[in-house]
Amino acid sequence: DIQMTQSPSSLSASVGDRVTITCQASRDTSNFLNWYQKKPGKAPKLLIYDATNLETGVPSRFSGSGSGTHFTFTISSLQPEDIATYYCQQYENLLTFGGGTKVEVK
Amino acid sequence: QVQLVESGGGVVQPGRSLRLSCVGSGFSFSNYAMHWVRQAPGKGLEWLSVISNDGNNQYYADSVKGRSTISRDNSKNTLYLQMNSLRPEDTADYYCARGARWSPNRLEYWGQGTPVTVSS
Repeated sequence: DIQMTQSPSSLSASVGDRVTITCQASRDTSNFLNWYQKKPGKAPKLLIYDATNLETGVPSRFSGSGSGTHFTFTISSLQPEDIATYYCQQYENLLTFGGGTKVEVK
Repeated sequence: QVQLVESGGGVVQPGRSLRLSCVGSGFSFSNYAMHWVRQAPGKGLEWLSVISNDGNNQYYADSVKGRSTISRDNSKNTLYLQMNSLRPEDTADYYCARGARWSPNRLEYWGQGTPVTVSS
């Protein structure tokens, strides 16, 4: 099984700040890595697929990078509507989600 | 537009069974792999199972393997998850999700979820 370790587990930032979340895989997952946003009471939403590709309709302030075992998700300028929990998900071997990063506004 | 609507959740006693359903609309259901994912209270997302578009291939997470069966009826645009020998730790919101056409493990669309509570 591939384990996905996200950090930090939570963060607090101000509107307009750059926010960065990392995801570490227990073994090489190439670029088979997606990022999702989850708000309470809402369905998860796909933001980034294949590590770096922005899903259609997702604002360009969201981006992803990385390959192999180390991946990064960035919000270039945090907006109030970005308050949510973010998850990475590998699919090199079945599917595994990271533990999530809860993003709050200061 | 694509819609996924789950049903079948509720309160069930430990050791009992439950069958969840997910009806898809707004797309050609038989062309897409489908998944089940859950989120326990206060916990993160947990992938459970996937079924290929034709229903011939199924895969499971270790946490539900042997206790759950994923299936689909393409004539009814419906996905199922049969869960047996339920445990309190199966308490969660259960979501169905559609894979992308050419990348089945990219979860493009999700339902709103159905809650399951396992309690005596």
